[in-house]
Amino acid sequence: GAGVSQSPSNKVTEKGKDVELRCDPISGHTALYWYRQSLGQGLEFLIYFQGNSAPDKSGLPSDRFSAERTGGSVSTLTIQRTQQEDSAVYLCASSLRGGMNTEAFFGQGTRLTVV
Amino acid sequence: AQSVTQPDIHITVSEGASLELRCNYSYGATPYLFWYVQSPGQGLQLLLKYFSGDTLVQGIKGFEAEFKRSQSSFNLRKPSVHWSDAAEYFCAVGGDSSYKLIFGSGTRLLVRP
Repeated sequence: GAGVSQSPSNKVTEKGKDVELRCDPISGHTALYWYRQSLGQGLEFLIYFQGNSAPDKSGLPSDRFSAERTGGSVSTLTIQRTQQEDSAVYLCASSLRGGMNTEAFFGQGTRLTVV
Repeated sequence: AQSVTQPDIHITVSEGASLELRCNYSYGATPYLFWYVQSPGQGLQLLLKYFSGDTLVQGIKGFEAEFKRSQSSFNLRKPSVHWSDAAEYFCAVGGDSSYKLIFGSGTRLLVRP
């Protein structure tokens, strides 16, 4: 597609359930980012993938969070045993290559609500 | 530690009036600075960026921003606001040795007819 695609756009889940959020980056982009946007907050860095390098997972808030990027393309962010504080908009971005001098293009996000 | 402060949570301006959104950053090295806009239900769109050179940068949609190193600021301006500019605006900082963007908490712009 022309842009970064995220699915689902909205997800309501019960506390304690696992959820998977999907991101399809722009074709050919080697760098992929996940950010979390909580209500009234800025964007919080979660994880970064660049090519075949080991991902930077330093922003993941707990071991309930994990992410994969298969074949250097699609990425899945998994949250296990969801808690109410996980409710937020999860944004994915991709860029042609990593680093600050390339523009990151953001998807529309997945709004996660944990009830 | 790196940080970005956007001191105004909400700003309301009349259509046609000028706009300035404030951004202050804390970064130990030469910063890369960005402004993004998020319209309702949309992802973030890059308005403009500063890496080096001329401290006044032009962006899309008639926006500009000025980097002032002495004030650690990167304020966003527009001479005449349009109703379609109503959105949330985020300032962000990064560096040449980093791929992480540090975002401010955003400023919501409301435009009065």
